[in-house]
Amino acid sequence: GESVGLHLPTLSVQEGDNSIINCAYSNSASDYFIWYKQESGKGPQFIIDIRSNMDKRQGQRVTVLLNKTVKHLSLQIAATQPGDSAVYFCAENTKAAGNKLTFGGGTRVLVKP
Amino acid sequence: DAGVIQSPRHEVTEMGQEVTLRCKPISGHDYLFWYRQTMMRGLELLIYFNNNVPIDDSGMPEDRFSAKMPNASFSTLKIQPSEPRDSAVYFCASSPRGGTEAFFGQGTRLTVV
Repeated sequence: GESVGLHLPTLSVQEGDNSIINCAYSNSASDYFIWYKQESGKGPQFIIDIRSNMDKRQGQRVTVLLNKTVKHLSLQIAATQPGDSAVYFCAENTKAAGNKLTFGGGTRVLVKP
Repeated sequence: DAGVIQSPRHEVTEMGQEVTLRCKPISGHDYLFWYRQTMMRGLELLIYFNNNVPIDDSGMPEDRFSAKMPNASFSTLKIQPSEPRDSAVYFCASSPRGGTEAFFGQGTRLTVV
């Protein structure tokens, strides 16, 4: 079942294609930007993070890009699989605020077979 | 480790009743976060603790909400009296010292009728 029936932007992608999920943030003082994945009925799960002094970081099948000029963060998923269907959240960690961790609005990704 | 454990998984209560949500963080984690997830507001940070001390409770919506962390292995979020608009999924998460990766519990789905 659904987590909470969120009305979210939805990205439909064909299995095997690449996905790009975007996020705009507001706090220039954030130290880390993080992507989380939330599957139906579960809590969010950490995917990857990027420090504010970097512009790109790669993981396994995922790449996060950070553009501080326009306060934009993106998550690229290569060769999207059915298991990638979920809601994706960007989050910010602010050390100066005591490691405060706040979340953005989320994007639903639907992978079509 | 069993991960972050929340109880109960589901709670249905009548308006005006007291509700207590419980959380057991991962052993050794210094930070504990309480979030509320709703359709309208997404994932909101309510309050978080560092070494059992509340750091920021600015997200707590009203005085009806209170949270405690009497020791490193247990936290509660209490709503008294509960109202229908408190219906949501409440998540607890913990993270190690200085980490950006927060580990979430399965959540408690609260319904106030």
